[in-house]
Amino acid sequence: GAVVSQHPSWVICKSGTSVKIECRSLDFQATTMFWYRQFPKQSLMLMATSNEGSKATYEQGVEKDKFLINHASLTLSTLTVTSAHPEDSSFYICSAVSNRGTGELFFGEGSRLTVL
Amino acid sequence: RKEVEQDPGPFNVPEGATVAFNCTYSNSASQSFFWYRQDCRKEPKLLMSVYSSGNEDGRFTAQLNRASQYISLLIRDSKLSDSATYLCVAVSGGYNKLIFGAGTRLAVHP
Repeated sequence: GAVVSQHPSWVICKSGTSVKIECRSLDFQATTMFWYRQFPKQSLMLMATSNEGSKATYEQGVEKDKFLINHASLTLSTLTVTSAHPEDSSFYICSAVSNRGTGELFFGEGSRLTVL
Repeated sequence: RKEVEQDPGPFNVPEGATVAFNCTYSNSASQSFFWYRQDCRKEPKLLMSVYSSGNEDGRFTAQLNRASQYISLLIRDSKLSDSATYLCVAVSGGYNKLIFGAGTRLAVHP
């Protein structure tokens, strides 16, 4: 079964509202999680690196005030898309590195956001 | 220039065919490389790691050429179930920071 769970899988919201996406590691602790965004027929683009207990590191061109990341525990990171607009409609995927030392990366199932 | 570049395809091949995908990366400091498979509207799943010595897993063979900064994936005896998008990935910068190519789409037909 999935070791990284994302919620919700699908979300439709009105323009101007905020949407929170959760990423949970189910059977391991993850100090580091990553958030990606994928537009149709394009590659996964890394948005930010989420570190437990500290501020996220954002990639160039990603607005930190628009995409709020919180990694308050070793099993949960959240991405909040604030004041969402139709151009934010995308597939958001998280991944987590296991603290077990193997370095293996696990992906969540993804969250598809549609902003009307 | 994109850090990881792939031919987008699509590659339309019959069952049983052999197909090869290519990928180039621009960051010579990249240390690790992978091929991921992504089905439509799903998350990517690790297919295999790529080593300079080559890596074979059943019908799949991956190869890395560091001098040319080139990665390849060979699929032999294609199955219908191989139809998917194949993503070339380089680990860049910090620990486990994956940089994805745009993907190469494969369609295997009967």
